[in-house]
Amino acid sequence: DAKTTQPTSMDCAEGRAANLPCNHSTISGNEYVYWYRQIHSQGPQYIIHGLKNNETNEMASLIITEDRKSSTLILPHATLRDTAVYYCIVRVAVGFQKLVFGTGTRLLVSP
Amino acid sequence: SQTIHQWPATLVQPVGSPLSLECTVEGTSNPNLYWYRQAAGRGLQLLFYSVGIGQISSEVPQNLSASRPQDRQFILSSKKLLLSDSGFYLCAWSVKGAHEQYFGPGTRLTVT
Repeated sequence: DAKTTQPTSMDCAEGRAANLPCNHSTISGNEYVYWYRQIHSQGPQYIIHGLKNNETNEMASLIITEDRKSSTLILPHATLRDTAVYYCIVRVAVGFQKLVFGTGTRLLVSP
Repeated sequence: SQTIHQWPATLVQPVGSPLSLECTVEGTSNPNLYWYRQAAGRGLQLLFYSVGIGQISSEVPQNLSASRPQDRQFILSSKKLLLSDSGFYLCAWSVKGAHEQYFGPGTRLTVT
């Protein structure tokens, strides 16, 4: 599975958009980009995934660059409850889902 | 709807004692099941996964074992706990072929 690089931490004001970047320059053509988040002392929560097209759901938007070497998770209107560690994971979507979690980005949303 | 249960929520055990953590999933059948561990200040590490009853694969050699006696039940065990077994243990499940993986609330284990 491709390696990902994320900033260690980011800050965001409540109500503003939070844009979390992820670099995955060695991504292969059949690898998907997945985003999960982990709120303190809870299990991780699936957010969104994509292959090459931009994706949007009720939680967030995922923007993948045309060369697929990087992506950005966008929380359009961050709330205090979005404070969490956000993990970007790249893997092939076949077989069982072995997720390899890195250190992620710690997002702090402030009033 | 599907739900995943883990118990106990917290556990304090002495070194050398046995361990049994249980995870059950409701509202689905024939799921893939996973055990992860998160040591203090570190990322999640996959310990075991199962694609069916009695089918267990281990990702890392260690002091722990897993079993799947029923379709939606996954158990993590140890005969003798070590201090290094302390951590946050998470069970997860996924539908075969689907992208999403769903995590339980976790068990925080402290070995003293």
